[in-house]
Amino acid sequence: DTAVSQTPKYLVTQMGNDKSIKCEQNLGHDTMYWYKQDSKKFLKIMFSYNNKELIINETVPNRFSPKSPDKAHLNLHINSLELGDSAVYFCASSQVSPSNTGELFFGEGSRLTVL
Amino acid sequence: GENVEQHPSTLSVQEGDSAVIKCTYSDSASNYFPWYKQELGKGPQLIIDIRSNVGEKKDQRIAVTLNKTAKHFSLHITETQPEDSAVYFCAATIWDMRFGAGTRLTVKP
Repeated sequence: DTAVSQTPKYLVTQMGNDKSIKCEQNLGHDTMYWYKQDSKKFLKIMFSYNNKELIINETVPNRFSPKSPDKAHLNLHINSLELGDSAVYFCASSQVSPSNTGELFFGEGSRLTVL
Repeated sequence: GENVEQHPSTLSVQEGDSAVIKCTYSDSASNYFPWYKQELGKGPQLIIDIRSNVGEKKDQRIAVTLNKTAKHFSLHITETQPEDSAVYFCAATIWDMRFGAGTRLTVKP
């Protein structure tokens, strides 16, 4: 049973299109994240949600909009795709409390290619 | 915010040798330091972690050391095997996890 699953695994699309990536975790964690990994493998946090509330919103263009319908799901919608959006997007989850910074569990990644 | 630097960016060793990857962090409030291994086409997976109240931790062939005063921590892999080949990331955490740039480790048979 996959702990953090994201779909689709691969996404190829044209510039200007709108696309979504979905993420679900079955670990019962309160916090979910989106990370972007560029071609140089650098992992950069984009968003963090705790119990459906936005906690972290790094300097990400507002074309990127996360949506958390419940604490087990965090979807990423991207409007007006640009070439520079091509990357692997990782969803992750953790159980975080004031006394415990927890392990991140990552999904397998969604490779987005913008042509 | 937290800034994590990781060295080297690439590391090639012979099977059986040791490998050491080093990281420094900027925010003294960071209290959790995990190391992740990412294999090709997969998401990163935790291999070992250390909290700020501990100086060293070992798990079979891997160990991590933390020097809070100097704000640096290191990953040590002994008796390396070809299956250790992967990209390794260090991270430092206060509330959110900030990653180093990664080290591509290649273990030659």
